[in-house]
Amino acid sequence: DAKTTQPPSMDCAEGRAANLPCNHSTISGNEYVYWYRQIHSQGPQYIIHGLKNNETNEMASLIITEDRKSSTLILPHATLRDTAVYYCTAGYNNNDMRFGAGTRLTVKP
Amino acid sequence: EPEVTQTPSHQVTQMGQEVILRCVPISNHLYFYWYRQILGQKVEFLVSFYNNEISEKSEIFDDQFSVERPDGSNFTLKIRSTKLEDSAMYFCASSWVGPGNEQFFGPGTRLTVL
Repeated sequence: DAKTTQPPSMDCAEGRAANLPCNHSTISGNEYVYWYRQIHSQGPQYIIHGLKNNETNEMASLIITEDRKSSTLILPHATLRDTAVYYCTAGYNNNDMRFGAGTRLTVKP
Repeated sequence: EPEVTQTPSHQVTQMGQEVILRCVPISNHLYFYWYRQILGQKVEFLVSFYNNEISEKSEIFDDQFSVERPDGSNFTLKIRSTKLEDSAMYFCASSWVGPGNEQFFGPGTRLTVL
């Protein structure tokens, strides 16, 4: 089963920052937090991951709380094409990543 | 940019028939995975494969399923006797070995069992 919990849905206005929360209060100290998204029925797309420090790449930023019990994925300027289901997952080795239901983000014009 | 590819994109089969879904993982990746997603449901882990053997499998991956890496590039999922409930999207993924390595997913094969 997934080790994370996310709100089932969120809306965001186009051009605004989308902040997607994730709770992972039970993950262990060496488990990474990963974010993926799935647009329609396409394959999940990797976005970003982190362990303790905040991370940023060309797609998004990941803010992990100091106690590592939760994190937030930030899409700084959401576009209509960012409408998707966003999955927060956690894992350490190659075998233990599992997907939950995710958050369905709808970006509205 | 390297990517995972899957064939066919859509497979239609009769119940009881065998199907083979094919995947070409990213070159130099050593860990391979199959997931499935029934319409409207979450992505479910089926199996992982490393060093030419199954590393881990879920309870979904029963005796009717098998995986193989027949050559240096392909990774296949075989379903021996398909059931109606096997209808789903099947995703292949690959990754480097070790912690902190993200998985890269293919576009999926839509399997329809009639």
